Amino acid sequence: DAGITQSPRHKVTETGTPVTLRCHQTENHRYMYWYRQDPGHGLRLIHYSYGVKDTDKGEVSDGYSVSRSKTEDFLLTLESATSSQTSVYFCAISESPGTLEAFFGQGTRLTVV
Amino acid sequence: DAKTTQPNSMESNEEEPVHLPCNHSTISGTDYIHWYRQLPSQGPEYVIHGLTSNVNNRMASLAIAEDRKSSTLILHRATLRDAAVYYCILRDADNNDMRFGAGTRLTVKP
Repeated sequence: DAGITQSPRHKVTETGTPVTLRCHQTENHRYMYWYRQDPGHGLRLIHYSYGVKDTDKGEVSDGYSVSRSKTEDFLLTLESATSSQTSVYFCAISESPGTLEAFFGQGTRLTVV
Repeated sequence: DAKTTQPNSMESNEEEPVHLPCNHSTISGTDYIHWYRQLPSQGPEYVIHGLTSNVNNRMASLAIAEDRKSSTLILHRATLRDAAVYYCILRDADNNDMRFGAGTRLTVKP
């Protein structure tokens, strides 16, 4: 199995509080991705990174920010959590954007009350 | 961005072959066709990928049309453990993002 760990695995937080989710990899892969998954919506890309300090927005980036200060860690921050951000969040890593496969973490279930 | 179209759901009987179709009529010459699947309560997992030629691995086969506008994931003998959502996506070596559609929910009946 690819070395990818998401933390925490479960979190309940209150509306308006900041939340940071961590994705940690031991594979030294260049590309990292954050997705959210809601019932009926499949996986939607939030942000992605193509190197240290190189990040870009995905299709549902509003309300989220990311940081990647070192290769192994990709952090997703909800500055002020809202109930609409209740979701399951997945991180993925890939050495190449096309020629090689991507690997996914087990997900973080976030509930905003 | 090139996109894919898949049926929302399919059913199969256990121990029979399953052919999961995917249309990608706007595919570019540098797009790789990737398939992932997501078992219940798990993260997606890689299944197979290819560029132009058909591909086989221990999990499945990928048949790519000659014009590359469609592809088919073939599970040679479905088991109950193959029940999952299967995603067909295009990944471009020149494009950094990786976007998914809704996928096909495969139900395997005993």
